[in-house]
Amino acid sequence: DGGITQSPKYLFRKEGQNVTLSCEQNLNHDAMYWYRQDPGQGLRLIYYSQIVNDFQKGDIAEGYSVSREKKESFPLTVTSAQKNPTAFYLCASSIFRDRGDDEQFFGPGTRLTVL
Amino acid sequence: KQEVTQIPAALSVPEGENLVLNCSFTDSAIYNLQWFRQDPGKGLTSLLLIQSSQREQTSGRLNASLDKSSGRSTLYIAASQPGDSATYLCAVSAFGGSNYKLTFGKGTLLTVNP
Repeated sequence: DGGITQSPKYLFRKEGQNVTLSCEQNLNHDAMYWYRQDPGQGLRLIYYSQIVNDFQKGDIAEGYSVSREKKESFPLTVTSAQKNPTAFYLCASSIFRDRGDDEQFFGPGTRLTVL
Repeated sequence: KQEVTQIPAALSVPEGENLVLNCSFTDSAIYNLQWFRQDPGKGLTSLLLIQSSQREQTSGRLNASLDKSSGRSTLYIAASQPGDSATYLCAVSAFGGSNYKLTFGKGTLLTVNP
């Protein structure tokens, strides 16, 4: 089955801790994305990567970090510097044709709660 | 800065009714528009994608139209069913800052009552 998997589904973090959210895809997509979703708000882009070993900040990158060592994996670390990390995190991927018309496909999400 | 607005924010209809969800965007220089469905606590499922050169796309009971010049898209759902109950999101792809990006609306929460 081709698709995007995210783990864990639920994650609880104590204040001051770093946590890492996993995202894996077997669609052979070049581009991968991390979004944050808060109640009553649209999805906001945190980071994206168009190719292995390269990634770019999105609109709300502060307090987050990523890596892209493998094409199929794009983990997101929520650091202690992120002031309000409780949210629903969504990973997506797409074929990257560098012409803006790529269709993005989404994973099932990880709900992060800070205790 | 691209902004996407979805109206209404919530909609409740009886089963069997045809309905229209609206999406508007402020900058018409888009590459495509996607409609997604999101069930509570779940990820997004892509329903329809309309490229900027297209006027509409159809999939089963769903039909999405795009009027790029006026900055509007509609999602038409025919013969609604309780299983259609979900949040519907639209997103436009445009060049922003240094690269292409998707800008999302806040969604329309649809409830179809049996």
